[in-house]
Amino acid sequence: NAGVTQTPKFQVLKTGQSMTLQCAQDMNHNSMYWYRQDPGMGLRLIYYSASEGTTDKGEVPNGYNVSRLNKREFSLRLESAAPSQTSVYFCASSEGQTQYFGPGTRLLVL
Amino acid sequence: AQSVSQHNHHVILSEAASLELGCNYSYGGTVNLFWYVQYPGQHLQLLLKYFSGDPLVKGIKGFEAEFIKSKFSFNLRKPSVQWSDTAEYFCAVNPPSGTYKYIFGTGTRLKVLA
Repeated sequence: NAGVTQTPKFQVLKTGQSMTLQCAQDMNHNSMYWYRQDPGMGLRLIYYSASEGTTDKGEVPNGYNVSRLNKREFSLRLESAAPSQTSVYFCASSEGQTQYFGPGTRLLVL
Repeated sequence: AQSVSQHNHHVILSEAASLELGCNYSYGGTVNLFWYVQYPGQHLQLLLKYFSGDPLVKGIKGFEAEFIKSKFSFNLRKPSVQWSDTAEYFCAVNPPSGTYKYIFGTGTRLKVLA
């Protein structure tokens, strides 16, 4: 089992560029999440998907969109990147109350 | 609004010292409680969790946490830390509202000196 995988590991974007962060899990979990981690602010929920075909906004959804492509995959899209979106992005999945996290994507927006 | 407070932002200890990291939450109802650890350059890993039952919970690597409902606290403890415990520790609360949404604390960076 690979658990939760994320690609890419690291990305540099210029302001205004778009990109999609990919996340996949092989644990057959129903729920998936996207968080951003910023120094001194812990993890903040961007979007989550309680089950295939549904998505909901979290605490900080502005500037992001998500797609729950199937049960395994949950992607996060930045349509027009801004420097404020420089962060580390973590994907997670859960079946029940315990979440399992991916290794993260470090994004730098110049 | 629901929140989770971790009052110690940075902690420096020598090996073999005892550790206690504070976590307080503001949610008034029944909650599920978690401690996660993030070692340098790695993703978050579950240390321990409390859903119900015995309020003293034992986790991996010798960590334990005590849920004190009257104090809205879930403090993490370890009797004797090791250099390998150097990491960032996050407390999280999940109100069992059916959405499985976590609220994380801001984290505590622990540095253990060899």
